[in-house]
Amino acid sequence: GESVGLHLPTLSVQEGDNSIINCAYSNSASDYFIWYKQESGKGPQFIIDIRSNMDKRQGQRVTVLLNKTVKHLSLQIAATQPGDSAVYFCAVPHGSGNTGKLIFGQGTTLQVKP
Amino acid sequence: DTGVSQDPRHKITKRGQNVTFRCDPISEHNRLYWYRQTLGQGPEFLTYFQNEAQLEKSRLLSDRFSAERPKGSFSTLEIQRTEQGDSAMYLCASSLRTGREETQYFGPGTRLLVL
Repeated sequence: GESVGLHLPTLSVQEGDNSIINCAYSNSASDYFIWYKQESGKGPQFIIDIRSNMDKRQGQRVTVLLNKTVKHLSLQIAATQPGDSAVYFCAVPHGSGNTGKLIFGQGTTLQVKP
Repeated sequence: DTGVSQDPRHKITKRGQNVTFRCDPISEHNRLYWYRQTLGQGPEFLTYFQNEAQLEKSRLLSDRFSAERPKGSFSTLEIQRTEQGDSAMYLCASSLRTGREETQYFGPGTRLLVL
């Protein structure tokens, strides 16, 4: 079946450094990708999304890169801050068609060291 | 705060009891989703509604689970005869589907513990 996987369960970075969180997906027909951030005890929070007709999209301190050839996307966080500490999930809509149900990876825990 | 609210935030129940959770989506969002999340895992899809119609249910949703969205606004998720394996975070998300564009916004979740 369709799957989404993250490369590292935990990433530890120094405050002020850049963070890169990676994600692989299995369905080459996937055309929409989303990153969520989940803080302890809270629901997932939308960060940024990207469509397959783009290779790169930038937000505030975040950049998502999409490599369709190897079915890989990454989330880059610039100048990582303590408030960035959370679990980060990539998600893709299941299959094609009208359903919007999302398939999530297991998540990468980002730890920011002061 | 995304604007999606869930109630209660926490629920402790004994095995065999019934529980009901409520989700209030962002106003005028036409889609509402339920997901379940266990410790260390990403959310797993359970079911979703477009307006008041339940369009899809996951195989994870056994006969003990039922969801409704009677007026196309708030939704309830009921679990009958709870089992310890039902212990999880139950997340609700809403979205406004226009064409193929859709972003799901999640609520804070209801954490269920079945003793």
